[in-house]
Amino acid sequence: EIVLTQSPATLSLSPGERATLSCRASQSVSSYLAWYQQKPGQAPRLLIYDASNRATGIPARFSGSGSGTDFTLTISSLEPEDFAVYYCQQRRETFGQGTKLEIK
Amino acid sequence: QVQLVQSGAEVKKPGSSVKVSCKASGGTFSSYAISWVRQAPGQGLEWMGRIIPILGIANYAQKFQGRVTITADKSTSTAYMELSSLRSEDTAVYYCARDMATVYDYWGQGTLVTVSS
Repeated sequence: EIVLTQSPATLSLSPGERATLSCRASQSVSSYLAWYQQKPGQAPRLLIYDASNRATGIPARFSGSGSGTDFTLTISSLEPEDFAVYYCQQRRETFGQGTKLEIK
Repeated sequence: QVQLVQSGAEVKKPGSSVKVSCKASGGTFSSYAISWVRQAPGQGLEWMGRIIPILGIANYAQKFQGRVTITADKSTSTAYMELSSLRSEDTAVYYCARDMATVYDYWGQGTLVTVSS
C-alpha cells in the first residue's frame, strides 16, 4: 500500500504570502496525484489533478508540480478564502493526512 | 454540471446498520464510478469503496471488507452505501464522490452518521 506523507502538518502564513505544501509518496505514483481543499463543514474540492492540471474554475494562483514520489502544491499569493486544510491523493484511494493552512 | 445529493443525518445504535444514499443528476450516471469516503471528527479522509453502476461491480477497501456494501440503482441514478455492525468509531461524515479514474471531481454534501448508545 502506498503511503502519502504531507508536510508540514500546519502552515501559518499571512494573506499575500506564498504557500508551499509538500506531499511525498512511499513509492512512485507517476503523475497520478491530486490535491483537494477542504473548509470546515464542507466537502473537499478538487484543485489539481494529474499533479499539475488545475480543475475547472480553480484560480491561477494554485499550481501543482512533481512526479514520481515528490509533489508540491503552491499558492502564489494567499487570499483570505485559501485558509483551509489541503489533502493530496493518489489514484482515487490513498489520501495524505492533510496540511492545515492557517492565518498567522 | 454534475450534482450529488446525499440523504440526511442518521443516529444509530452500536451493532446496527446504516444505509446512506447519493442521488446523481447531470452527466450520465452509468458512465462513471461512485466512491464513498468517510471523515471521522477532526480526522482525515478515508476511502471505503466504489461501484461502477454500468457494471454493477463494487470493490472495497480491505479495512471495510465484510462490513460495507455499495450498490447502485441505474433507474434512479442513486448509489447506496450500507455499513453494518456499527461501532462508535464509525461516527463520521460519509461522502459520495464521482470517481473519474484518477480523481474525485464532484462530491456530495456529506452525511453525518452518529453511532451512540
